[in-house]
Amino acid sequence: AQTVTQSQPEMSVQEAETVTLSCTYDTSENNYYLFWYKQPPSRQMILVIRQEAYKQQNATENRFSVNFQKAAKSFSLKISDSQLGDTAMYFCAFTYTTGYALNFGKGTSLLVTP
Amino acid sequence: GAVVSQHPSRVICKSGTSVKIECRSLDFQATTMFWYRQFPKQSLMLMATSNEGSKATYEQGVEKDKFLINHASLTLSTLTVTSAHPEDSSFYICSARPGTGGTEAFFGQGTRLTVV
Repeated sequence: AQTVTQSQPEMSVQEAETVTLSCTYDTSENNYYLFWYKQPPSRQMILVIRQEAYKQQNATENRFSVNFQKAAKSFSLKISDSQLGDTAMYFCAFTYTTGYALNFGKGTSLLVTP
Repeated sequence: GAVVSQHPSRVICKSGTSVKIECRSLDFQATTMFWYRQFPKQSLMLMATSNEGSKATYEQGVEKDKFLINHASLTLSTLTVTSAHPEDSSFYICSARPGTGGTEAFFGQGTRLTVV
């Protein structure tokens, strides 16, 4: 089974600064999908960004971007111009194709301070 | 985006009773739904995969007789916690993925179950 590792249990960043959350994964497959989900205190899971493994170009969504290194099996999330509303748990997730559940890392608790 | 509605959001039940949690996909059909359990400050752990019209697939260590899953239609899956005990207290989240491939998974709001 694939594993997803997030090595930073907690991180803190000042408002307007940039922070990078790390994620590594392990799989023997070539086609798969990676996601970053945000879970604020409300506990509603919100998709931040996704990446298809067959795409070399790194995904970007406004202030959020990823650094996808397929050979290294690394998928880090960069948050630029951090905002107080970015405070949340961030989960890196992995899946194959239809019918498969997401496999989550342990999460990184991000605190954005004024 | 697509909407997944989970109900109730919070429930308190007495030890020994059963409680049912519903998960509905409101604007798409979901042949497969997923049930997760999340302990405080921990990750989401997959409990089972719910398949419309067939038996659910449970993860290792999850008691099938305690966590009954029914997926009777393409828009509704239910999780029934039977003979609940305090150790079943947790946050339960359902998820569904419309379409194929890497389409994102949409999550319900979650259910906080407290067994007293």
